[in-house]
Amino acid sequence: SAVISQKPSRDICQRGTSLTIQCQVDSQVTMMFWYRQQPGQSLTLIATANQGSEATYESGFVIDKFPISRPNLTFSTLTVSNLSPEDSSIYLCSVTNRPMNTEAFFGQGTRLTVV
Amino acid sequence: AQTVTQSQPEMSVQEAETVTLSCTYDTSESDYYLFWYKQPPSRQMILVIRQEAYKQQNATENRFSVNFQKAAKSFSLKISDSQLGDAAMYFCAYRRVASGNTPLVFGKGTRLSVIA
Repeated sequence: SAVISQKPSRDICQRGTSLTIQCQVDSQVTMMFWYRQQPGQSLTLIATANQGSEATYESGFVIDKFPISRPNLTFSTLTVSNLSPEDSSIYLCSVTNRPMNTEAFFGQGTRLTVV
Repeated sequence: AQTVTQSQPEMSVQEAETVTLSCTYDTSESDYYLFWYKQPPSRQMILVIRQEAYKQQNATENRFSVNFQKAAKSFSLKISDSQLGDAAMYFCAYRRVASGNTPLVFGKGTRLSVIA
């Protein structure tokens, strides 16, 4: 299994500012996935973060709005920039177990409220 | 693209009874994984059960079991002897098998209430 520490667990931010979310994994993983869960909705993939290369973004998500860093095999950050109330969501990071990649593990989630 | 459909936004069950949550999916792949995740109010995503598509035998995990119908692309979750702690959002998810990692595709979820 993998244990993921995600911080902060929640935050309230002013519109126009940014929030950076951190995920630390207790083992080395190739890819980390970032999801958004809007209120009462399912999880939607934002991007896939590879160590040593640019993140791959899903349709509807752009790097300027959701820049991602992946400096090593155990850590990643997601920044949500130029916040608006529509960004109020839960953000989760996820990894899969190595080497079989049969299961996904999730951080505790970050509940973002934009006021 | 793969899609996952959960047609029951909400379900309720009496404590100690059995409930079945439905899930269908669409894919052209022959090898993949299917999952049921539970998300309580704490927001933590908890893996309930996993099914490999190549396995004909339905997965079971204590009180949780699945009915996997590959030809029908159906993957329902049965919870037996329901407990108050089972109350949560349940997400059905799909993941294709590929070299390297692939992300999960989630259904919209089913909110399960357990009545004492």
